[in-house]
Amino acid sequence: ENVLTQSPGTLSLSPGERATLFCRASQSVSSSYLAWYQQKPGQAPRLLIYGASTRATGIPDRFSGSASGTDFTLTISRLEPEDFAVYYCQRYGSSPYSFGQGTRLEIK
Amino acid sequence: EVQLLESGGGLVQPGGSLRLSCAASAFTFSICAMSWVRLAPGKGLEWVSGISGGGDKANYADSVKGRFTISRDNSKNTLYLEMNSLRVEDTAIYFCVKETRQYNFGTFDYWGQGILVTVSS
Repeated sequence: ENVLTQSPGTLSLSPGERATLFCRASQSVSSSYLAWYQQKPGQAPRLLIYGASTRATGIPDRFSGSASGTDFTLTISRLEPEDFAVYYCQRYGSSPYSFGQGTRLEIK
Repeated sequence: EVQLLESGGGLVQPGGSLRLSCAASAFTFSICAMSWVRLAPGKGLEWVSGISGGGDKANYADSVKGRFTISRDNSKNTLYLEMNSLRVEDTAIYFCVKETRQYNFGTFDYWGQGILVTVSS
């Protein structure tokens, strides 16, 4: 199974700062079939990025994704108060569709 | 707007059974694969099971294979998850998730709000 490892586990930043979240796959990810989700307490996850770098419908352009081999990055250029949440990366294409363990982005 | 409404959760003893339902609306249910994803306390998201739009193909995570059965009734726009031989470690919020393709690909674009399943004696 292709295991996704996210880092850091928790990221403490202030509004207006830049956030960089990482996701490393233990094996290659076909055609960059990697997605990012945001989940706030008590809410369903929301799709942010798919194909490693394509923003989903309605996602602000301060969110961006990139890939380099088995390393994937989610960047939030300038944090807004509503961006503080848990972020998950996910591999898709062939089952099982594994998720990373999540990065908690908290207000400093 | 796409809506996915889960029901059927609750408290069950280890070894017991439960059936979750998910009522879908505002999209053509029969041409979309669906999945169940869960979030256990203190853990991350885990894909549980998926089924194709026509219901002809299903797949499962190893952790639930042989115990859970996914099914759908396209005439009722409803997805199901039959859970048997439940274990304490199955305790989680279960999300009903819509996929973007007819066959499961793991591309999840809409999620329900989730339903809590607690397995405890």
